[in-house]
Amino acid sequence: AQSVTQLDSQVPVFEEAPVELRCNYSSSVSVYLFWYVQYPNQGLQLLLKYLSGSTLVKGINGFEAEFNKSQTSFHLRKPSVHISDTAEYFCAVIPKWGATNKLIFGTGTLLAVQP
Amino acid sequence: DSGVTQTPKHLITATGQRVTLRCSPRSGDLSVYWYQQSLDQGLQFLIQYYNGEERAKGNILERFSAQQFPDLHSELNLSSLELGDSALYFCASGKQTAGLDEQYFGPGTRLTVT
Repeated sequence: AQSVTQLDSQVPVFEEAPVELRCNYSSSVSVYLFWYVQYPNQGLQLLLKYLSGSTLVKGINGFEAEFNKSQTSFHLRKPSVHISDTAEYFCAVIPKWGATNKLIFGTGTLLAVQP
Repeated sequence: DSGVTQTPKHLITATGQRVTLRCSPRSGDLSVYWYQQSLDQGLQFLIQYYNGEERAKGNILERFSAQQFPDLHSELNLSSLELGDSALYFCASGKQTAGLDEQYFGPGTRLTVT
């Protein structure tokens, strides 16, 4: 079975400051890794994904994430945040070679950007 | 706009009632996934259909059922509703059932059970 842990339920940060949202996963098999963003009153939008290859992946809106296999982590970073980045961020996994593509989500981190 | 549509956007109903949530996938997508987002349980996978057939089940209650029709739209039926069923229900669509299938999420249906 797989599980995803997002230890920070809320991360307050000032505008133009850097931010890191943490994600750790547990799985007995290899997984694909994802970050989704949910803006207020909207659905989920894919920010970025790690499938294989380079461990640093870049996504939309200036976000990037680094896969660390030894630490089973996939932390999301942005060097300078904007007010418009205020949203809920979800880390998720899909087991590789599984019979289905069901996403297994973490509990989410609310990024609150303050002016 | 992901191209996935869900209706209705909001639904308010009483305990014990039955409701139907509808999802239309993106053009060309054969898979539909249903997820529930609640304060207690977070985001959980409920069920997946591929081209009309059920492919995977998650933490879906027996009071809930779903189906995918020949035109590929899907409906999630929730019956004998309880207060705890209040949640945001998302559907997502994708092209295939195995291998990596990027899922595109609809805007969700917010269900409030009073």
